[in-house]
Amino acid sequence: GAVVSQHPSRVICKSGTSVKIECRSLDFQATTMFWYRQFPKQSLMLMATSNEGSKATYEQGVEKDKFLINHASLTLSTLTVTSAHPEDSSFYICSARLPSYNEQFFGPGTRLTVL
Amino acid sequence: AQTVTQSQPEMSVQEAETVTLSCTYDTSESDYYLFWYKQPPSRQMILVIRQEAYKQQNATENRFSVNFQKAAKSFSLKISDSQLGDAAMYFCALSGGYQKVTFGIGTKLQVIP
Repeated sequence: GAVVSQHPSRVICKSGTSVKIECRSLDFQATTMFWYRQFPKQSLMLMATSNEGSKATYEQGVEKDKFLINHASLTLSTLTVTSAHPEDSSFYICSARLPSYNEQFFGPGTRLTVL
Repeated sequence: AQTVTQSQPEMSVQEAETVTLSCTYDTSESDYYLFWYKQPPSRQMILVIRQEAYKQQNATENRFSVNFQKAAKSFSLKISDSQLGDAAMYFCALSGGYQKVTFGIGTKLQVIP
């Protein structure tokens, strides 16, 4: 099946700093990628839809100036958490959609801890 | 708007036995897809099985099968011959016209040796 990677897998940062998370589709081109956030023992909550070459579409309640998304190529989308605070600590998961099958393949996730 | 409801927060099954996880959904789309994802402790989301709404035949993947009742908007997952490696969180998910996927809150499956 299609493979999606995420980097880093785990990051710890100080409050007020910015953190960038990369999501790559390794063996297919993804015009659309998705970013999710998952709190402990909870489901995945969609944060935004990332479209190659255009602005991301954010879900209601997600601050677009805080969670910057860039989808510069067909295989790479990045999520930057700006001025991170402890409440941003969470598990962030990306997925890439395989267009012909309307199926999403998920990255392994990134655990962000903000001190 | 589309919704997915999983009413069983936790389930347990004896190894080698069969268990069924429940899921109901709602959508205004006529064309949609339903999924069951597995999330083991590693937290990697793994697709277990998918069902296209236009197909009447229930999807099967080895020990995994679904009971898709379109009129009732029900989409249950049956795991046969349960194995220890099946222990995980299972999420039911729906993808409608805009391709966004909505997830249920999950069911934690415990497999008892």
